[in-house]
Amino acid sequence: LAKTTQPISMDSYEGQEVNITCSHNNIATNDYITWYQQFPSQGPRFIIQGYKTKVTNEVASLFIPADRKSSTLSLPRVSLSDTAVYYCLVGDPGSYNTDKLIFGTGTRLQVFP
Amino acid sequence: EAGVTQFPSHSVIEKGQTVTLRCDPISGHDNLYWYRRVMGKEIKFLLHFVKESKQDESGMPNNRFLAERTGGTYSTLKVQPAELEDSGVYFCASSQDRGRRAFFGQGTRLTVV
Repeated sequence: LAKTTQPISMDSYEGQEVNITCSHNNIATNDYITWYQQFPSQGPRFIIQGYKTKVTNEVASLFIPADRKSSTLSLPRVSLSDTAVYYCLVGDPGSYNTDKLIFGTGTRLQVFP
Repeated sequence: EAGVTQFPSHSVIEKGQTVTLRCDPISGHDNLYWYRRVMGKEIKFLLHFVKESKQDESGMPNNRFLAERTGGTYSTLKVQPAELEDSGVYFCASSQDRGRRAFFGQGTRLTVV
């Protein structure tokens, strides 16, 4: 299973764009990159998943360079409610051995008014 | 659509007692997972059911933990006898397709005193 490395914490202000980068140097060919968000006293919540280039949904964008050794979660115009812990996970959706999610320490994002 | 439901939300028990946690997955989701976070640690995988079968229980800490999913619907996680180090938040998640988006419950906060 590919190990991921993310910043422990980040600070931002309301209305700014936040980019959280995750390193996964040992990503395998079949691995996908998935991001989850977790608020205090709640379970993790799926944000976005991608394999290469760029993926965008109503919540965020995920940028993945050609070598796939890193990825960047982009949150446009954050608000106070985006204060949470963000987890980057790497794994192969089709593999029996990597079906379970491996959570790291995550990045604690604090948004200030 | 109802989400993943966990019961109870909080439980305080004495060392040596038995506690049973329950998880109701999203209807139609064959895959059910248990995770836990102990104080100060990362979220860790415990086990994975596909319908009523245990697909992967590599994360179960010891034989004091017993998980069941009779009939392939709800699941229970029993801890008997509970120890102090079992304190933490236990999350249940379900997914329709393996490796894809997992939906987490709110968690059960277990405190063993």
